[in-house]
Amino acid sequence: GQQVMQIPQYQHVQEGEDFTTYCNSSTTLSNIQWYKQRPGGHPVFLIQLVKSGEVKKQKRLTFQFGEAKKNSSLHITATQTTDVGTYFCAGVGGSQGNLIFGKGTKLSVKP
Amino acid sequence: DGGITQSPKYLFRKEGQNVTLSCEQNLNHDAMYWYRQDPGQGLRLIYYSQIVNDFQKGDIAEGYSVSREKKESFPLTVTSAQKNPTAFYLCASSTSQGAYQPQHFGDGTRLSIL
Repeated sequence: GQQVMQIPQYQHVQEGEDFTTYCNSSTTLSNIQWYKQRPGGHPVFLIQLVKSGEVKKQKRLTFQFGEAKKNSSLHITATQTTDVGTYFCAGVGGSQGNLIFGKGTKLSVKP
Repeated sequence: DGGITQSPKYLFRKEGQNVTLSCEQNLNHDAMYWYRQDPGQGLRLIYYSQIVNDFQKGDIAEGYSVSREKKESFPLTVTSAQKNPTAFYLCASSTSQGAYQPQHFGDGTRLSIL
């Protein structure tokens, strides 16, 4: 079945450094969603990308959807301690068109 | 405030026991979902429901059961047939079923074996 792979699994950065997580699919995605889960919390929807090559920004966060719609990335500029958490990508998969979540990238930020 | 309420926050199961996790939403969403999250893993879909009195199996439905008698409620029962139930269970909802709809999550229930 369709898989959504996410790398790296963990990332430790110094506060102020940049961070990027990558999401890859074995098949073409119709869209991709990104979620953030703070430690001890629940996933919170960040953004959805639909168009090939789409780029969206939310303050220090930049989201990109690949031209072939098989990959996506989330880049955080100048990380802050409030960015700590696990970032998940999710794309449509399966015969019923449900979201398939990647395993997430856990970000820790050292002050 | 609208949202999703899951209870209890922590739950312990004895051998051979069925336990039920509650999920209630007041967002007026049609679709509801149950996910299981294990350490270092993504979210895996257990069951979902697009409308009252209808639900479908997800990727890991074995050992679980659900009901959807009311739009607001989607309880999950972890049966004794689920041999490895220790996990974090998340309930979610969206305006309608489908991959284009953002999902809103509850705070989760952490289930452990006694």
